[in-house]
Amino acid sequence: DGGITQSPKYLFRKEGQNVTLSCEQNLNHDAMYWYRQDPGQGLRLIYYSQIVNDFQKGDIAEGYSVSREKKESFPLTVTSAQKNPTAFYLCASGTPIYGYTFGSGTRLTVV
Amino acid sequence: EDKVVQSPLSLVVHEGDTVTLNCSYEVTNFRSLLWYKQEKKAPTFLFMLTSSGIEKKSGRLSSILDKKELSSILNITATQTGDSAIYLCAVYNNAGNMLTFGGGTRLMVKP
Repeated sequence: DGGITQSPKYLFRKEGQNVTLSCEQNLNHDAMYWYRQDPGQGLRLIYYSQIVNDFQKGDIAEGYSVSREKKESFPLTVTSAQKNPTAFYLCASGTPIYGYTFGSGTRLTVV
Repeated sequence: EDKVVQSPLSLVVHEGDTVTLNCSYEVTNFRSLLWYKQEKKAPTFLFMLTSSGIEKKSGRLSSILDKKELSSILNITATQTGDSAIYLCAVYNNAGNMLTFGGGTRLMVKP
C-alpha cells in the first residue's frame, strides 16, 4: 500500500536533548513537508523540500533541522534550541494541486 | 505573506443541526482552496475548489468558493457525532508551490 509512515507515534524529550522524527513515503512524490500543530490549532509549516538534496525553511524553522538525502525520506530533528517543542508533528508529501497526503503524526512531549 | 483565516474558532452544535464554516484568504497568485477534516491524527481531504460559484458536494457536506470575496464556506447538514473534528482550510498559490493552512475550526457535535 502506498502512503506515508511517521515514527514514532509518541516521543518524549528531555530538556537539552535533540530528537529525530522519521518520515518515509513510497508514493514517489518529489515534495515533502513538515508541519507543527499545537492543541486545537491549525498547521504551521516548519520545513519543506521540493526535491532531493534541497530544502527550504517554512514559517517556524528556528530550532529545527531537516535533511533530504533520499526521495523517500525526510527526517526532522528537533534541537535543544527549540524552547517549546511539545506539539503534534505532521509530515506530508505530494503537490498542492492534488492535495497532500499526510502521515499519522508524531506527538512530542518534553519531560 | 499569504494568510488564511478561519471562523469560528470553535463551534458546539447538536445532532441534526446545520453548520457553516468560513474561510477567508489573502494569497498572491491564487490557484485553489482545499478543505480537510482532522479527527485524531492525519487530516483527510474533503474538497478542492478552483472556480468561483461552483458548489462541490459529498453527502451532507458541501463547499463553495467566492473569488470576489476571497472566501469559501463549508456546509454540513444534519450533523452527526462523527462530524466532530477540526476542519482545516488551505490555499495554494502558484508561486510558492505549497499549501498555507488556516487555524482550523473545531466542531463538536453533541448527541
